[in-house]
Amino acid sequence: DAGITQSPRHKVTETGTPVTLRCHQTENHRYMYWYRQDPGHGLRLIHYSYGVKDTDKGEVSDGYSVSRSKTEDFLLTLESATSSQTSVYFCAIKDRTSGTNEQFFGPGTRLTVL
Amino acid sequence: GENVEQHPSTLSVQEGDSAVIKCTYSDSASNYFPWYKQELGKRPQLIIDIRSNVGEKKDQRIAVTLNKTAKHFSLHITETQPEDSAVYFCAASMRVEGGTSYGKLTFGQGTILTVHP
Repeated sequence: DAGITQSPRHKVTETGTPVTLRCHQTENHRYMYWYRQDPGHGLRLIHYSYGVKDTDKGEVSDGYSVSRSKTEDFLLTLESATSSQTSVYFCAIKDRTSGTNEQFFGPGTRLTVL
Repeated sequence: GENVEQHPSTLSVQEGDSAVIKCTYSDSASNYFPWYKQELGKRPQLIIDIRSNVGEKKDQRIAVTLNKTAKHFSLHITETQPEDSAVYFCAASMRVEGGTSYGKLTFGQGTILTVHP
């Protein structure tokens, strides 16, 4: 599992509340990613990080922010959750030992916004 | 940006038959094409990948082919088994200017493969 964990694994929240999802890795990988998965859309990149305090937007970044204050943790924050953000969120890392862009995924967080 | 289209969205085969899933990509600069398998309620897992300097790659019952000129690549599963039933995703990795891609992947929409015993 490439040492990736996500917390919480499940969360139900109400519209308008802030939510923070955590991705934690133990193998010192430089690159980390947040995706959301919705039926018919595959996996879509929200934000990514290429080092501590180095982050950038993906294709569906509106309504989300991220932070990476240390190598092992990549946080995804929904500033004010909306029902359209109900989804399964996956964190991924790019294997630092691989010469390709091979990514490994965390177990996912199922978020429901009521 | 890169755009990846995947077909079919659903595929139903009998055990022992072959299954083929096709993807097209838009950016000729893409040079890495992985395939992921996702079982119900689980995380996506890499099953095979190919780089743009290779036309075909095999791993037991799974193979991937790449046509750079046409900008499409395909996953071939032979002698399908019920445990092959899952959602399969293709993806492409695009290089941004300066040659640093940051490893970003653009995924297709997924194919639900069902193998009937």
